[in-house]
Amino acid sequence: DVKVTQSSRYLVKRTGEKVFLECVQDMDHENMFWYRQDPGLGLRLIYFSYDVKMKEKGDIPEGYSVSREKKERFSLILESASTNQTSMYLCASRRESGGYTFGSGTRLTVV
Amino acid sequence: AQSVTQPDIHITVSEGASLELRCNYSYGATPYLFWYVQSPGQGLQLLLKYFSGDTLVQGIKGFEAEFKRSQSSFNLRKPSVHWSDAAEYFCAVGRYSGGGADGLTFGKGTHLIIQP
Repeated sequence: DVKVTQSSRYLVKRTGEKVFLECVQDMDHENMFWYRQDPGLGLRLIYFSYDVKMKEKGDIPEGYSVSREKKERFSLILESASTNQTSMYLCASRRESGGYTFGSGTRLTVV
Repeated sequence: AQSVTQPDIHITVSEGASLELRCNYSYGATPYLFWYVQSPGQGLQLLLKYFSGDTLVQGIKGFEAEFKRSQSSFNLRKPSVHWSDAAEYFCAVGRYSGGGADGLTFGKGTHLIIQP
């Protein structure tokens, strides 16, 4: 089974800090995605990547950037964290057959 | 743009009773449709997916879903629920462009409560 690992389960950061959320997948998938999940809003797509060094904006990219230097790793960056970025962040990887596998999530609190 | 509507925010069902969770989608082409389940504090687990072919799709944990193009629906069903089915359920549609798979658009979720 594909494994998508998010390095941190919980994070607490201060307003204005630069925050890195890391995601690693172990099956050589080309497509990777970052979502945020908020109560009553479901999951919303922030950024995605087709391949190394490629990135595309999703529906809510403002305040975020991403980095994909290696195929297995897709990082989400909050350049200057704000309280409205407090959320659950989910990484996903997509296999050729079309199924998406999600990580367990990182719950980020910005204080 | 594609969208997914899950009309029921909360549903309460007695253990052993049947279940149907509703999902309506809006998409210009043939949709790729998914149902995911999320238990408290957990990531998302794929229950089933529809790409093409038989419109009745079987999934894990005894779930099934039926794709009805005329109604733009992909409702999830289970004949007899168990207390362990209590969770959040998300319907999603695949997004595609010339570049390939652009991720999923999700509904806002349905919270399933199981009464003993």
